[in-house]
Amino acid sequence: EVQLVETGGGLIQPGGSLRLSCAASGFTVGTNYMSWVRQAPGKGLEWLSVIYSDSTTYYTDSVKGRFTISRDKSKNTLFLQLNSLRAEDTAIYYCARMALDGFEIWGQGTTVTVSS
Amino acid sequence: QTVVTQEPSFSVSPGGTVTLTCGLSSGSVSTSYSPSWYQQTPGQAPRTLIYNTNTRSSGVPDRFSGSVLGNKAALTITGAQADDESDYYCVLCLGSGIYVFGTGTKVTVL
Repeated sequence: EVQLVETGGGLIQPGGSLRLSCAASGFTVGTNYMSWVRQAPGKGLEWLSVIYSDSTTYYTDSVKGRFTISRDKSKNTLFLQLNSLRAEDTAIYYCARMALDGFEIWGQGTTVTVSS
Repeated sequence: QTVVTQEPSFSVSPGGTVTLTCGLSSGSVSTSYSPSWYQQTPGQAPRTLIYNTNTRSSGVPDRFSGSVLGNKAALTITGAQADDESDYYCVLCLGSGIYVFGTGTKVTVL
């Protein structure tokens, strides 16, 4: 079964760091385009970052320089390193497998709360 | 900064047809933006409906269809059902690895 499971969310103080993981099953992370998307409480969806199969990465401006997307092929897992966290980064973070420039398969999400 | 615009809300009667649109703050949407559409109910992860303009995701009923109408991408729900009551989001690929979600449309079926 094709599945994505995110972990690593939690409560973190402003300025802190967190690493989110997205474990894939039923397919290979390294041969697919993979993205992170978030949704702040009561708000819409926001695309954050993508990693292509050739390891090229892209970010939306609001997280560039603070967030880093990566993957571990041996663990078949996608990561998102979150640094210099702010209150406005509070959100549910989803990982997604992409296909034809769309988000094909979604995880269930992990919640990040930035608060002192 | 590019904004992808959607109608804030729509109401449709059961069995009726509704067309949601997805536009750009500047410029026209074409198939080259690979528009895709997602459905989300409260507390749930998004569900993929349409990608690459008009390709239905696996398991999506054919009452959902995607297209480009004029200068916008469009999602049409034909024969609306009660469980179609959800938030709907579009995504456009702006090129250079950048994707932008639309502002979302809340659809009410009543």
